[in-house]
Amino acid sequence: EAGVTQFPSHSVIEKGQTVTLRCDPISGHDNLYWYRRVMGKEIKFLLHFVKESKQDESGMPNNRFLAERTGGTYSTLKVQPAELEDSGVYFCASSPTSVTADTQYFGPGTRLTVL
Amino acid sequence: KNEVEQSPQNLTAQEGEFITINCSYSVGISALHWLQQHPGGGIVSLFMLSSGKKKHGRLIATINIQEKHSSLHITASHPRDSAVYICAVLQGGADGLTFGKGTHLIIQP
Repeated sequence: EAGVTQFPSHSVIEKGQTVTLRCDPISGHDNLYWYRRVMGKEIKFLLHFVKESKQDESGMPNNRFLAERTGGTYSTLKVQPAELEDSGVYFCASSPTSVTADTQYFGPGTRLTVL
Repeated sequence: KNEVEQSPQNLTAQEGEFITINCSYSVGISALHWLQQHPGGGIVSLFMLSSGKKKHGRLIATINIQEKHSSLHITASHPRDSAVYICAVLQGGADGLTFGKGTHLIIQP
């Protein structure tokens, strides 16, 4: 069974540009989570999808971030326009059931560098 | 908001030593996760606990709900155990995990 995959693995962009990160959860997993680790800080929750619906987006830093999960399969996280403080590693995780207290399977992360 | 504290932040030990990493949190939770990240690697879920103790190979995780504390133990440590170990909690009613800063473990041969 394939794990959670993320694309790209690295992205280097200039301030003001747009970047779209993609996450493919494990097939059949309804729950999809986005997390971010900014340099030197702990990983922080961004948002949670159940199928195609945003269950909780309380961790999204501001309206420059837009997450979608059309069709309830893969998800995208768009940053527009990117700022220097957006640099970090963005992790995606998925879990199989509608019970939120379940093992989360993490993707390898996308390292975003904004110059 | 839950505060998750891990100790120690950094730990260097010799191969074969018994390792303990601690995690404390401030607010009641529904589950606690121990995660592992090797240098340059992705995050791997080691355990999810809501009570008691779990064991997998040389790894043991315990949780004391009353004391809001969990420990991760590694027996007969090996250089391949060198990684960052992260504690993360799920608060009741919350969706996402709250993470500790991680413990950087180095096991020297």
